[in-house]
Amino acid sequence: QVTLKESGPGILQPSQTLSLTCTFSGFSLSTYGMGVGWIRQPSGKGLEWLANIWWDDDKYYNPSLKNRLTISKDTSNNQAFLKITNVDTADTATYYCARIGGFDYWGQGVMVTVSS
Amino acid sequence: DIVLTQAPLSVSVTPGESASISCRSSKSLLSSKGITSLYWYLQKPGKSPQLLIYRMSNLASGVPDRFSGSGSETDFTLKISKVETEDVGVYYCAQFLEYPLTFGSGTKLEIK
Repeated sequence: QVTLKESGPGILQPSQTLSLTCTFSGFSLSTYGMGVGWIRQPSGKGLEWLANIWWDDDKYYNPSLKNRLTISKDTSNNQAFLKITNVDTADTATYYCARIGGFDYWGQGVMVTVSS
Repeated sequence: DIVLTQAPLSVSVTPGESASISCRSSKSLLSSKGITSLYWYLQKPGKSPQLLIYRMSNLASGVPDRFSGSGSETDFTLKISKVETEDVGVYYCAQFLEYPLTFGSGTKLEIK
Protein backbone atom coordinates (compact mmCIF):
# COMPACT_ATOMS: atom_id res chain seq x y z
CA GLN A 1 0.00 0.00 0.00
CA VAL A 2 1.48 3.29 -1.14
CA THR A 3 1.08 6.31 1.12
CA LEU A 4 2.67 9.74 1.22
CA LYS A 5 2.43 12.45 3.82
CA GLU A 6 3.72 15.99 3.73
CA SER A 7 4.88 18.01 6.69
CA GLY A 8 5.95 21.62 6.97
CA PRO A 9 6.09 24.68 9.21
CA GLY A 10 2.52 25.88 8.68
CA ILE A 11 3.38 29.54 8.75
CA LEU A 12 6.52 31.50 8.01
CA GLN A 13 7.56 35.04 7.28
CA PRO A 14 8.55 36.61 3.97
CA SER A 15 12.19 36.08 2.98
CA GLN A 16 12.48 32.91 5.08
CA THR A 17 13.22 29.45 3.69
CA LEU A 18 10.39 26.95 3.46
CA SER A 19 11.37 23.37 4.25
CA LEU A 20 8.97 20.58 3.39
CA THR A 21 9.23 16.85 4.05
CA CYS A 22 7.43 14.04 2.25
CA THR A 23 7.44 10.77 4.17
CA PHE A 24 6.28 7.82 2.13
CA SER A 25 5.79 4.06 2.31
CA GLY A 26 4.98 1.28 -0.10
CA PHE A 27 7.80 2.04 -2.50
CA SER A 28 11.47 2.93 -2.39
CA LEU A 29 13.40 5.74 -3.97
CA SER A 30 16.27 3.31 -4.43
CA THR A 31 14.20 1.29 -6.89
CA TYR A 32 14.81 1.80 -10.59
CA GLY A 33 12.23 4.07 -12.15
CA MET A 34 10.82 5.49 -8.93
CA GLY A 35 10.55 9.17 -8.15
CA VAL A 36 8.70 11.78 -6.12
CA GLY A 37 7.38 15.13 -7.23
CA TRP A 38 6.16 18.27 -5.51
CA ILE A 39 3.10 20.20 -6.65
CA ARG A 40 1.42 23.18 -5.05
CA GLN A 41 -2.00 24.77 -5.16
CA PRO A 42 -2.93 28.23 -3.90
CA SER A 43 -6.35 28.28 -2.30
CA GLY A 44 -9.07 28.16 -4.94
CA LYS A 45 -6.58 27.96 -7.80
CA GLY A 46 -4.99 25.35 -10.02
CA LEU A 47 -2.04 22.99 -9.72
CA GLU A 48 1.56 24.01 -10.28
CA TRP A 49 4.36 21.48 -10.63
CA LEU A 50 7.49 22.42 -8.70
CA ALA A 51 10.12 19.69 -8.84
CA ASN A 52 10.86 15.99 -9.35
CA ILE A 53 13.55 13.74 -7.95
CA TRP A 54 14.29 10.27 -9.34
CA TRP A 55 15.79 7.10 -7.93
CA ASP A 56 19.13 7.92 -9.56
CA ASP A 57 19.13 11.41 -7.96
CA ASP A 58 18.21 13.11 -11.20
CA LYS A 59 16.41 16.36 -10.40
CA TYR A 60 14.14 18.66 -12.36
CA TYR A 61 12.80 22.05 -11.40
CA ASN A 62 10.16 24.45 -12.59
CA PRO A 63 12.14 27.32 -14.09
CA SER A 64 9.37 29.77 -13.13
CA LEU A 65 10.71 29.60 -9.58
CA LYS A 66 14.18 30.25 -10.89
CA ASN A 67 16.86 29.13 -8.45
CA ARG A 68 14.74 29.12 -5.31
CA LEU A 69 14.03 25.38 -5.27
CA THR A 70 16.11 22.51 -3.95
CA ILE A 71 14.81 18.95 -3.95
CA SER A 72 16.57 16.09 -2.18
CA LYS A 73 15.93 12.64 -0.75
CA ASP A 74 16.83 10.33 2.10
CA THR A 75 16.42 6.86 0.67
CA SER A 76 17.10 5.08 3.95
CA ASN A 77 14.23 6.85 5.70
CA ASN A 78 11.84 6.97 2.73
CA GLN A 79 11.71 10.73 2.63
CA ALA A 80 11.89 13.46 0.04
CA PHE A 81 12.44 17.11 0.76
CA LEU A 82 11.80 20.44 -0.88
CA LYS A 83 13.25 23.77 0.08
CA ILE A 84 12.06 27.10 -1.24
CA THR A 85 14.21 30.08 -0.42
CA ASN A 86 13.18 33.70 -0.02
CA VAL A 87 9.45 33.03 0.23
CA ASP A 88 6.80 35.69 -0.17
CA THR A 89 3.02 35.80 0.05
CA ALA A 90 2.72 34.30 -3.44
CA ASP A 91 4.12 31.05 -2.02
CA THR A 92 1.10 30.64 0.24
CA ALA A 93 -0.45 27.37 -0.90
CA THR A 94 -1.16 23.74 -0.15
CA TYR A 95 1.89 21.70 -1.04
CA TYR A 96 1.56 18.11 -2.21
CA CYS A 97 4.06 15.38 -2.84
CA ALA A 98 3.18 12.58 -5.24
CA ARG A 99 4.78 9.44 -6.57
CA ILE A 100 6.06 9.81 -10.09
CA GLY A 101 4.52 7.31 -12.42
CA GLY A 102 2.01 9.84 -13.54
CA PHE A 103 1.55 11.09 -9.97
CA ASP A 104 -0.50 8.01 -9.25
CA TYR A 105 -0.43 8.51 -5.48
CA TRP A 106 -0.67 11.85 -3.67
CA GLY A 107 -0.23 12.94 -0.10
CA GLN A 108 -2.97 14.75 1.76
CA GLY A 109 -1.19 18.07 1.32
CA VAL A 110 0.20 20.55 3.83
CA MET A 111 -0.97 24.16 4.04
CA VAL A 112 1.73 26.78 4.13
CA THR A 113 1.05 30.43 4.84
CA VAL A 114 3.59 33.16 4.27
CA SER A 115 2.71 36.20 6.29
CA SER A 116 4.42 38.96 8.19
CA ASP B 1 6.44 25.48 -21.88
CA ILE B 2 3.57 23.30 -23.08
CA VAL B 3 0.25 25.02 -22.51
CA LEU B 4 -2.83 22.91 -21.84
CA THR B 5 -6.18 24.59 -22.45
CA GLN B 6 -9.25 23.01 -20.90
CA ALA B 7 -12.86 23.56 -21.86
CA PRO B 8 -15.40 24.22 -20.60
CA LEU B 9 -14.54 26.05 -17.40
CA SER B 10 -17.46 24.37 -15.73
CA VAL B 11 -20.13 21.86 -16.62
CA SER B 12 -23.41 21.02 -14.92
CA VAL B 13 -24.69 17.49 -15.46
CA THR B 14 -27.82 15.57 -14.50
CA PRO B 15 -27.02 12.27 -12.77
CA GLY B 16 -27.08 9.45 -15.28
CA GLU B 17 -26.14 11.66 -18.20
CA SER B 18 -22.69 11.85 -19.74
CA ALA B 19 -20.15 14.66 -19.70
CA SER B 20 -17.10 15.46 -21.81
CA ILE B 21 -14.14 17.65 -20.98
CA SER B 22 -11.66 18.87 -23.54
CA CYS B 23 -7.93 19.48 -23.15
CA ARG B 24 -5.92 21.00 -25.98
CA SER B 25 -2.14 21.03 -25.98
CA SER B 26 0.09 23.68 -27.57
CA LYS B 27 2.41 20.90 -28.72
CA SER B 28 2.10 17.27 -29.71
CA LEU B 29 2.26 15.01 -26.65
CA LEU B 30 3.26 11.96 -28.67
CA SER B 31 6.73 10.84 -27.66
CA SER B 32 9.32 9.17 -29.84
CA LYS B 33 8.42 5.92 -28.07
CA GLY B 34 4.85 6.16 -29.30
CA ILE B 35 3.43 7.11 -25.89
CA THR B 36 1.01 10.02 -25.56
CA SER B 37 1.86 11.64 -22.23
CA LEU B 38 -1.47 13.11 -21.27
CA TYR B 39 -2.98 12.44 -17.86
CA TRP B 40 -6.31 13.25 -16.21
CA TYR B 41 -6.97 13.90 -12.54
CA LEU B 42 -10.02 14.57 -10.40
CA GLN B 43 -9.81 16.72 -7.31
CA LYS B 44 -12.88 16.20 -5.18
CA PRO B 45 -13.83 19.01 -2.80
CA GLY B 46 -11.35 19.28 0.04
CA LYS B 47 -9.28 16.34 -1.22
CA SER B 48 -6.01 15.71 -3.01
CA PRO B 49 -6.08 15.11 -6.75
CA GLN B 50 -6.47 11.49 -7.83
CA LEU B 51 -5.25 9.94 -11.06
CA LEU B 52 -8.03 8.87 -13.42
CA ILE B 53 -6.39 8.30 -16.80
CA TYR B 54 -2.74 7.86 -17.76
CA ARG B 55 -1.10 8.01 -21.18
CA MET B 56 -4.25 9.43 -22.73
CA SER B 57 -6.51 6.40 -22.58
CA ASN B 58 -5.49 4.01 -19.80
CA LEU B 59 -7.74 3.73 -16.78
CA ALA B 60 -5.91 4.05 -13.47
CA SER B 61 -6.30 1.34 -10.87
CA GLY B 62 -9.60 1.45 -9.03
CA VAL B 63 -11.19 4.02 -11.33
CA PRO B 64 -14.70 3.12 -12.54
CA ASP B 65 -14.96 2.30 -16.22
CA ARG B 66 -17.47 5.13 -16.58
CA PHE B 67 -14.37 7.23 -17.16
CA SER B 68 -12.57 7.07 -20.46
CA GLY B 69 -9.90 9.07 -22.23
CA SER B 70 -9.27 9.56 -25.91
CA GLY B 71 -7.62 11.93 -28.30
CA SER B 72 -5.01 12.65 -30.88
CA GLU B 73 -1.55 14.21 -30.49
CA THR B 74 -2.85 17.58 -29.34
CA ASP B 75 -6.57 17.27 -28.65
CA PHE B 76 -7.87 15.15 -25.81
CA THR B 77 -11.19 14.29 -24.27
CA LEU B 78 -12.20 12.89 -20.93
CA LYS B 79 -15.65 11.33 -21.04
CA ILE B 80 -17.71 10.43 -18.04
CA SER B 81 -20.66 8.27 -18.88
CA LYS B 82 -23.59 7.98 -16.47
CA VAL B 83 -22.35 10.72 -14.15
CA GLU B 84 -22.82 10.08 -10.45
CA THR B 85 -22.95 12.57 -7.58
CA GLU B 86 -19.54 11.34 -6.38
CA ASP B 87 -17.98 12.64 -9.64
CA VAL B 88 -18.25 16.28 -8.56
CA GLY B 89 -15.01 18.21 -8.35
CA VAL B 90 -12.41 19.79 -10.57
CA TYR B 91 -10.87 17.83 -13.42
CA TYR B 92 -7.33 18.59 -14.55
CA CYS B 93 -5.32 17.41 -17.50
CA ALA B 94 -1.53 17.30 -17.29
CA GLN B 95 1.35 16.59 -19.61
CA PHE B 96 4.38 14.52 -18.74
CA LEU B 97 6.12 14.72 -22.09
CA GLU B 98 8.67 17.32 -21.12
CA TYR B 99 9.74 19.59 -18.33
CA PRO B 100 8.37 21.74 -16.91
CA LEU B 101 5.39 19.49 -16.31
CA THR B 102 2.21 21.49 -16.78
CA PHE B 103 -1.44 21.23 -15.82
CA GLY B 104 -4.56 22.58 -17.44
CA SER B 105 -6.50 25.20 -15.51
CA GLY B 106 -9.25 22.79 -14.54
CA THR B 107 -12.91 22.08 -15.32
CA LYS B 108 -15.44 22.09 -12.53
CA LEU B 109 -18.14 19.46 -12.72
CA GLU B 110 -21.34 20.11 -10.83
CA ILE B 111 -24.50 18.10 -10.47
CA LYS B 112 -27.81 19.60 -11.54
